[in-house]
Amino acid sequence: KNEVEQSPQNLTAQEGEFITINCSYSVGISALHWLQQHPGGGIVSLFMLSSGKKKHGRLIATINIQEKHSSLHITASHPRDSAVYICAVLSRGGADGLTFGKGTHLIIQP
Amino acid sequence: GAVVSQHPSWVICKSGTSVKIECRSLDFQATTMFWYRQFPKQSLMLMATSNEGSKATYEQGVEKDKFLINHASLTLSTLTVTSAHPEDSSFYICSVRPGAKKDTQYFGPGTRLTVL
Repeated sequence: KNEVEQSPQNLTAQEGEFITINCSYSVGISALHWLQQHPGGGIVSLFMLSSGKKKHGRLIATINIQEKHSSLHITASHPRDSAVYICAVLSRGGADGLTFGKGTHLIIQP
Repeated sequence: GAVVSQHPSWVICKSGTSVKIECRSLDFQATTMFWYRQFPKQSLMLMATSNEGSKATYEQGVEKDKFLINHASLTLSTLTVTSAHPEDSSFYICSVRPGAKKDTQYFGPGTRLTVL
């Protein structure tokens, strides 16, 4: 079982819809990252969270440490938001590198 | 602007040859860099942790003699895929951790390696 589980794996929505992507993890963590990967492969770091909630533009990320769960929300979605969104965790006291979920492939249709 | 650069962005090579991939930290000195690999439709997997001035730490299942890592300066780490085989074809991404922010990583744009 993967330490980091994301859902859904694939999501297609219409422009303007509110999008939610979920991430659950099974280990104690010191931080959780939300990443965006476009078709060319390059990765952009969206958020790093250790508690609470962060907002940047139309993106909101929340984390519940007790429940080992995080969500990424996109408000007023746009076709340019189409990408793979990846949740990654930094284990507390474990390896220094990140452990990644398999990603959520999001398509926003005009 | 970009914080981390990788070179080359893509490379095609013949089986049996060696390929070197560079990862540069542009905005800060980094004692720690990470190398990840991503196969098609798979999640990224940590290959190794590159430490400036010392040997890299490899993850289980990653051959250190095949994937040579050199972190000779605070801004440059290199990954050399030796005697490449088609199964080494993958997307290789590095990330850089600023010394003062141990929870933060900045990712490079990645290098797509195709071994014929």
